[in-house]
Amino acid sequence: VLTQSPGTLSLSPGERATLSCRASQNVGSSYLAWYQQKPGQAPRLLVYGTSITAAGIPNRFSGSGSGTDFTLAISRLEPDDFAVYYCQQYKTSITFGGGTKVEI
Amino acid sequence: DVQLEQSGAEVRKPGESLKISCKTSGYTFSTYWIAWVRQMPGKGLEWMGVIYPRDSDARYSPFFKDHVTFSVDRSTSTAYLRWSSLRASDSAIYFCARRRYTLGVPDGFDKWGRGTQVLVSS
Repeated sequence: VLTQSPGTLSLSPGERATLSCRASQNVGSSYLAWYQQKPGQAPRLLVYGTSITAAGIPNRFSGSGSGTDFTLAISRLEPDDFAVYYCQQYKTSITFGGGTKVEI
Repeated sequence: DVQLEQSGAEVRKPGESLKISCKTSGYTFSTYWIAWVRQMPGKGLEWMGVIYPRDSDARYSPFFKDHVTFSVDRSTSTAYLRWSSLRASDSAIYFCARRRYTLGVPDGFDKWGRGTQVLVSS
């Protein structure tokens, strides 16, 4: 089970966002991904392998963590970043977290 | 350019069957796992399972096993998701996605279809 917190993060453009994803079992250091989803759109891969930014993703997005605690950081929020973010583990089968909504 | 094109919205009655599609292009279909992901109205993402087109090896989430079936048509580079008997609780958006590799090990889902809306209602 992946638990994301907070459920909702209220921030302003230019601020730093820190999203948490906690696993109920050890996920290791290379089996976690993060996705962004905007209303009416498919999810978009941001980070895989815990800390590798996917192609075309701005460098203000960064992932970190290992074991059971993982973080997605957005260094300076831009208007386009307000969305829902999901973590995903793929060490044991595949599961998604419940999501964190980043709102203005 | 890699693309996953999903079939259009569907409306069915409970108990009816349904098969939706995910037509791929721009890459070698047989060598990337295809995942199916459910999103119920206003809810998060749920992994349903994956299928490997080269040999049709399918792995199902325990929650969806025995209720859905994955298949592929290698001649058209298309993946399918099928229900033999729909329930009202199957109403959702269904996404297909391609699973990428890192050093030969499958990891995240790098390309997604736009989703197929399924409504099951009497």
